Amino acid sequence: QVQLVDSGGGVVHPGGSLRLSCAASEFIFGDYVMHWVRQSPGKGLEWVAAISSDGNNKFYADPVKGRFTISRDNSKNMLSLQMSSLRGDDTALYYCARDSFQAYCSSSSCRSFYFDVWGKGTTVTVSS
Amino acid sequence: DIQMTQSPSSLSASVGDRVSITCRASQNVNSYLNWYQQKPGKAPKLLIFGASSLRTGVPSRFSGSGSGTDFTLTVSSLQPEDFATYYCQQSFSAPFTFGGGTKVEVK
Repeated sequence: QVQLVDSGGGVVHPGGSLRLSCAASEFIFGDYVMHWVRQSPGKGLEWVAAISSDGNNKFYADPVKGRFTISRDNSKNMLSLQMSSLRGDDTALYYCARDSFQAYCSSSSCRSFYFDVWGKGTTVTVSS
Repeated sequence: DIQMTQSPSSLSASVGDRVSITCRASQNVNSYLNWYQQKPGKAPKLLIFGASSLRTGVPSRFSGSGSGTDFTLTVSSLQPEDFATYYCQQSFSAPFTFGGGTKVEVK
């Protein structure tokens, strides 16, 4: 069935880097806008980043701008999040999520509708 | 950025109760408002999109209403599997912000 499998989480020191991956299956990955969403321990949900279906347009939440990079490889049905300069407040469970088929992102804006498929999440812990 | 404020942050209810959760946006989001359910250790699940459209497969006891800045999620008759945390989210503009969540607990 339609599935997203997140991976790549782990324990990293402050200032370190980590790369998360999300493998998509059973849908045409290249047709969809994709997102990363995180959830700090015991806290609510926080949108992190979005990428257009072709990978050319990317949008970030302010707390991660300049430190995180979202990317995708449509030939491999893979979404990635490269995280650098990690801080303690980046500690969270990171989910990849698929937007609806109608969603699109241009160079200047991103039209989302809803997140209908989620991965199970991968945990990132930033600690010395 | 659009701020999303949910209330209450938690509530206690019994099976069979009618439960309502409200969500207020800091600016107009038209009907770009979604509701998700999350159970412990699980990813969020989409319940309602476009403020009032029920996702296929979601029980009809769930309903959503509102537009603009004020929205409501209602569960008409709470079932045991409905005890969970509920989040609203605006998809009108990036950053696609979530409300703080409402935890529905057993009374």
